[in-house]
Amino acid sequence: EVQLVESGGDLVQPGGSLRLSCAASGFSVSNYAMSWVRQAPGKGLEWVSGVRASDGIKYHGDSVKGRFTISRDSSKNTLFLQMNTLRAEDTAVYYCAASSYGNYIESMDDWGKGTTVIVSS
Amino acid sequence: QSVLTQPPSASGTPGQRVTFSCSGSNSNIGMFTVNWYQQFPGTAPKLLIHHTYQRPSGVPDRFSGSKSGTSASLAISGLQSEDEADYYCAAWDDGLRGVVFGGGTKLTVL
Repeated sequence: EVQLVESGGDLVQPGGSLRLSCAASGFSVSNYAMSWVRQAPGKGLEWVSGVRASDGIKYHGDSVKGRFTISRDSSKNTLFLQMNTLRAEDTAVYYCAASSYGNYIESMDDWGKGTTVIVSS
Repeated sequence: QSVLTQPPSASGTPGQRVTFSCSGSNSNIGMFTVNWYQQFPGTAPKLLIHHTYQRPSGVPDRFSGSKSGTSASLAISGLQSEDEADYYCAAWDDGLRGVVFGGGTKLTVL
């Protein structure tokens, strides 16, 4: 059974850094396209970052480009999101999501329960 | 402002057929397949439709997807009270080199 468990969410000051983790079980993060998707309070879904299955090519949304970095560790079977220079507008629930459909990052068929990031002074 | 445009709300009565629209452009829906997600309050989204028409195993055939040009639609037939949720469309965008979501449509079952 595929399972994704996020951790690392916290209250952080503007300008600070945070690293989110997503521990996967039931599959290998190297074989699936993986993404981070966030949802600000009362708002819709926003894709943040993704990594392709076959070649590990990474993509980041415009709102986080240059500040956030997605990575994966096959030995730990874990996906990460390094978040730097955090802003108030980064406050959201961050979901880890996996796509079993090859490199189709956008077809996310498994999701974690999310971890909450609050950026505030 | 979302790249994909969805109406903020929709409603229907039990047994009815409802449709949701998702409008994009040539760089996303016009070029790539469309995905639909269902989300209940306080829970993670669930993939409902992938590759425009395909249903993951376990999704009832009451849910169906379609696409024409730069617009896509999700239809629910035989509406049930448990279908009351938020529905999001998503697609890859070639210009942005990333996944774009619609703003979501909140379905109310009257």
